[in-house]
Amino acid sequence: GQNIDQPTEMTATEGAIVQINCTYQTSGFNGLFWYQQHAGEAPTFLSYNVLDGLEEKGRFSSFLSRSKGYSYLLLKELQMKDSASYLCAVRDSNYQLIWGAGTKLIIKP
Amino acid sequence: IAGITQAPTSQILAAGRRMTLRCTQDMRHNAMYWYRQDLGLGLRLIHYSNTAGTTGKGEVPDGYSVSRANTDDFPLTLASAVPSQTSVYFCASSEGQDTGELFFGEGSRLTVL
Repeated sequence: GQNIDQPTEMTATEGAIVQINCTYQTSGFNGLFWYQQHAGEAPTFLSYNVLDGLEEKGRFSSFLSRSKGYSYLLLKELQMKDSASYLCAVRDSNYQLIWGAGTKLIIKP
Repeated sequence: IAGITQAPTSQILAAGRRMTLRCTQDMRHNAMYWYRQDLGLGLRLIHYSNTAGTTGKGEVPDGYSVSRANTDDFPLTLASAVPSQTSVYFCASSEGQDTGELFFGEGSRLTVL
């Protein structure tokens, strides 16, 4: 079966750096997405990786290794507003998105 | 700029009743999706449409139906609601089935008693 694994919850300190890992086993691969979801709100797009390597976008970066079935989302200079759930999703060979359960990130002052 | 609009935002429904969740997008996206989100689980695809006039079943389609009469609208119908359909429902759209990220509506919280 298809599977996306992420840690359930992580805690970090304001101003610090945190890395959220995502491993996947899917039928084919056509890209990996990271979304941010604040409590009670809709998911919003953060990043997209289809080739190996690091994609940087401001304080957020996302890394992909297709051979390892692995990605991470790196958040720098954490702010209180970064407290949210972070969702990893893989587009499979049928172009359907397979979603992880999400990682709840708690930021402490 | 609306993006994707869902209605209602919240609804309490008696088991056995019929319910339609509405979804409208103004981005002229070809692909649209309905997901449900339950605590501890990832988003699960109910139904999708790659273009107007076509629909397909996702991971959890039983008890739900959809239609795509035009590009903008993609309603989700629960023919006879059951308590296990209590969930938060998100409508989403993308330029195409294989292009672009998904844009989500604000969600519809449905409680079936």
